[in-house]
Formats: sequence, structure tokens, C-alpha cells
Amino acid sequence: QKEVEQNSGPLSVPEGAIASLNCTYSDRGSQSFFWYRQYSGKSPELIMFIYSNGDKEDGRFTAQLNKASQYVSLLIRDSQPSDSATYLCAVHSGGGADGLTFGKGTHLIIQP
Amino acid sequence: DVKVTQSSRYLVKRTGEKVFLECVQDMDHENMFWYRQDPGLGLRLIYFSYDVKMKEKGDIPEGYSVSREKKERFSLILESASTNQTSMYLCASSTGGLYGYTFGSGTRLTVV
Repeated sequence: QKEVEQNSGPLSVPEGAIASLNCTYSDRGSQSFFWYRQYSGKSPELIMFIYSNGDKEDGRFTAQLNKASQYVSLLIRDSQPSDSATYLCAVHSGGGADGLTFGKGTHLIIQP
Repeated sequence: DVKVTQSSRYLVKRTGEKVFLECVQDMDHENMFWYRQDPGLGLRLIYFSYDVKMKEKGDIPEGYSVSREKKERFSLILESASTNQTSMYLCASSTGGLYGYTFGSGTRLTVV
């Protein structure tokens, strides 16, 4: 059974600080990793993906992957109240329509 | 950008009714998925399809069926709606899990 684990939160971070969201996964064969943002009552939106060990930066967002530790994280710099949402980690282990395994998400609250 | 369109944003149906949820994508994706999302339970896969007229059961197929007669359209059918099927239903499409999914805007279904 492939599993993706996230702390459900809520994670409360002051405005302007760095928010750090973490995710662990069970399948060592996992190949690609995704972060989705989901606002309350809305559908998930892809914000970052990473395939290789190390860091990948896109604006205020940085995804970090450590395959040896089976760990992926998302850093949000200069957090804004508009970043308040649930963040879903998703992992692909290969095999076409075999699809993604999702974590249950971390609820992030940015305090003004 | 890929667009995934779900026909209804909100639906209210009566117990025992047959309910159709429609999903259309415009980027010729092979793979399409239906999830339901409930508080504390995360995303749960109901059915997926990797080709026209092909379907595979996900984790919670009971009480649901699907139809994929055309590549762009994937329908979820609740044969006889029950109150425990009240949920947010999300459709997604992809060319393969390696590239992530694009979600539709979701249908909030209430069965009374």
C-alpha cells in the first residue's frame, strides 16, 4: 500500500515568515512529486512539481526532495494571508494511469 | 492550459435518484479520474479510465459507475443516490501521472 503522510495542522505562521510544509512517502520507487494548493471549497491547483533530488525554486515557493529519506517539502517565503489554504502532497510511482497517491493535506494559516 | 470542466458546481438530489456528473477535458488526455473529497478523509479515488470505453475501479467504487464513450468526456453515475454520497466530487485528467493531474472545479453534491 503506497502511503503519503502529511501533518494535518493547522500550521499557523506569521505574515512575512517562511512556511515549511512536509511530506513523507512510502514507495522508494516514486519518481515525481507534486504540491497542490486547495482553497476552502475550491479544487486543488498544481503549484510545484519536482523530479530530482535537491531544491527547485519558483518565485516565493521552493520544493525540496530527498529520495534517500523519502521526504519532500514545500517552503513558502514571505508568507501572505492569501497563502492560507490546504496544501496537498502527491506522489507518482510510475505506471501510466496508475496515478498519483495523495496525502490528506496540511492546513496552513498565515496570521496577519 | 488544460481545461477540465465539470458540468455543475452545486447539485441537490433526493435519496434514490439517479445522478449524472459530467466531466469534459479539452487537451486530448488519455487518463481521467473521479475522486470524492470529505473532511478528514482526503481525496479518495472512485474510478479512473485510461482510454475510451476502458474503466478501472479505484478505492471506493461501491455505489458508483462510470462511462467513457468519448476521449474527452468521463461521466460518474450514482445509480441510486444515498445521503452518505453527499460530498465534493472532483474530476481530473492527465497524460500520465509523471506530469501530474489537472482538476476540474468540483461538484458539491448534497443528497437529501
